[in-house]
Amino acid sequence: QVVLTQSPSASASLGASVKLTCTLSSGHSSYGIAWHQQQPEKGPRFLMKLNSDGSHIRGDGIPDRFSGSSSGSERYLTISSLQSDDEADYYCQTWGTGIRVFGGGTKVTVL
Amino acid sequence: EVQLAESGGGLVQPGGSLRLSCAASEFTFSNYWMSWVRQAPGKGLEWVANIKQDGSVKYVVDSVKGRFTISRDNSKNSVFLQMNSLRAEDTAIYYCVREHSSGTYYFDYWGQGTLVTVSS
Repeated sequence: QVVLTQSPSASASLGASVKLTCTLSSGHSSYGIAWHQQQPEKGPRFLMKLNSDGSHIRGDGIPDRFSGSSSGSERYLTISSLQSDDEADYYCQTWGTGIRVFGGGTKVTVL
Repeated sequence: EVQLAESGGGLVQPGGSLRLSCAASEFTFSNYWMSWVRQAPGKGLEWVANIKQDGSVKYVVDSVKGRFTISRDNSKNSVFLQMNSLRAEDTAIYYCVREHSSGTYYFDYWGQGTLVTVSS
């Protein structure tokens, strides 16, 4: 069964970039994932779908400051030109037959 | 714009039941898998259950098997979650979520959520 692993926290300065990592468990390196953002006291929002080859499709209205990339079993979300409202929890998510899986989430702090 | 509106949450005693509803609009509901995802206070996201476009296939997470049932009514563009034998650990915000349903099953639209509190 696929498992997704995320670091609990990350931080970067206003205007800088931050790169988040989601690691797929052994044997699942071909899986695509999705990234979701959850701002404080709000429901989650779909950011993008990210394939194993690094190609990605952003959700409606998601700016190109949010980009995705892949390497082996790792899937990345890079946020450029950090803004204060990028301070949020970020979750990766994947799917299998009969199952949907989330990573534990990464809390991003904008310094 | 896709809309998903949950209702039916509230306070219920341990062992009690609750039925959540989700009304969908602005997309062809019968073309999509639908899911329920929950988030306990201060915790991460947990997928709970999903249902195929025609209702013929359903899956639930192990922790709610035998207690929760997902269903849908395509004529009313609605999906439901019947929750029985509720426990304190079921306390969470429950989100209705649309699954992108063309071979890759990621969640592409979320509702605002409805709070379920299980407490005596």
